[in-house]
Amino acid sequence: GAVVSQHPSRVICKSGTSVKIECRSLDFQATTMFWYRQFPKKSLMLMATSNEGSKATYEQGVEKDKFLINHASLTLSTLTVTSAHPEDSSFYICSVGSGRTSTDTQYFGPGTRLTVL
Amino acid sequence: TQLLEQSPQFLSIQEGENLTVYCNSSSVFSSLQWYRQEPGEGPVLLVTVVTGGEVKKLKRLTFQFGDARKDSSLHITAAQPGDTGLYLCAGDQGGSEKLVFGKGTKLTVNP
Repeated sequence: GAVVSQHPSRVICKSGTSVKIECRSLDFQATTMFWYRQFPKKSLMLMATSNEGSKATYEQGVEKDKFLINHASLTLSTLTVTSAHPEDSSFYICSVGSGRTSTDTQYFGPGTRLTVL
Repeated sequence: TQLLEQSPQFLSIQEGENLTVYCNSSSVFSSLQWYRQEPGEGPVLLVTVVTGGEVKKLKRLTFQFGDARKDSSLHITAAQPGDTGLYLCAGDQGGSEKLVFGKGTKLTVNP
């Protein structure tokens, strides 16, 4: 399967600042990537589907202006959490999809732990 | 409401014991996947089951998909500390084009 990396692995920021998380597909041309958020004792929740060269598709309830996704190449998608607040603290995980939907095989990155103070 | 219910939520056992964890739903799934996630890491796919009644084995792990394709179980024989982790099930309802995850079972195997 695909090897997926995320950077940074953990980040602490002050409330009101913006944080960028990178997701890289190291050995697979990723037309589609997915961004998830995982809160303690909660399910892994799909936030958005990132499509190379086009706009991301956001899930209901996810603010596209707050969670900016850019997928400019077949190996890199970025998630920027703008004006972060403590309630945005979570574990953010990206995945590389083998197809265009999340029901196709996905290869997950190691995640990024975001803590907003 | 949670589409996929996993039980138990937490399980702590001794090395060498057997265990079963469950993934249940009132909905039918065209396939179910099981993942293991270690702390601070992303989920790693263990198996996908697609046929009702299907049983798949992965070394000491046995996965079963219910006949009605609404539930699944994971049985681990002679658990080892390396089996420690969060076990997630995820289902594909077919028409939604979206994989839905359960909350997971957090397994701790003590040496």
